[in-house]
Amino acid sequence: GNSVTQMEGPVTLSEEAFLTINCTYTATGYPSLFWYVQYPGEGLQLLLKATKADDKGSNKGFEATYRKETTSFHLEKGSVQVSDSAVYFCALSDEASGSRLTFGEGTQLTVNP
Amino acid sequence: EAGVAQSPRYKIIEKRQSVAFWCNPISGHATLYWYQQILGQGPKLLIQFQNNGVVDDSQLPKDRFSAERLKGVDSTLKIQPAKLEDSAVYLCASSLGGSSGNTIYFGEGSWLTVV
Repeated sequence: GNSVTQMEGPVTLSEEAFLTINCTYTATGYPSLFWYVQYPGEGLQLLLKATKADDKGSNKGFEATYRKETTSFHLEKGSVQVSDSAVYFCALSDEASGSRLTFGEGTQLTVNP
Repeated sequence: EAGVAQSPRYKIIEKRQSVAFWCNPISGHATLYWYQQILGQGPKLLIQFQNNGVVDDSQLPKDRFSAERLKGVDSTLKIQPAKLEDSAVYLCASSLGGSSGNTIYFGEGSWLTVV
């Protein structure tokens, strides 16, 4: 079955530091890949997505590239802000499962001023 | 455009009691989902509807959980009787369609504590 593995958290950074959150996946077929963000007390919001190999999703300074050869979709941001503090979830869907998402366990990010 | 609406936001009940959560998806979205998110974990799909039909309920504990979407718009998720391990956030979500790559939009969630 499908699965998503994220780097263990929590992650604590200083403002303006570089961020990488690793995500690898196992899927049948050709999945679409997503990053969702969950701010404290709020629901999940789509951050970015990529639907085919070598696509790069980007939004709000965050980027992730769909790497089929390494089955990865790592999230990066060049300079984090305090307001980026949240839980980040990597997820996938594929043709077999349709639009249903399989999520990783989430990575808690805390950015200190 | 209004987002996915859920109510109530918070609920505390005793074990063996019942609870119901309501969801109104984004207008025009045919596909509706209920996910369960236990603290510290990623969300897990409970049930998916396409219009008023069930697409996948394989992970729904049917001895205590039920869900319906009678008119293909809003939906209700019920738990009866509740157990301590049902304490979680229940996320409703919707999308235009049910194919891979569709963006799924989530509500703010209904937080359930069973004591």
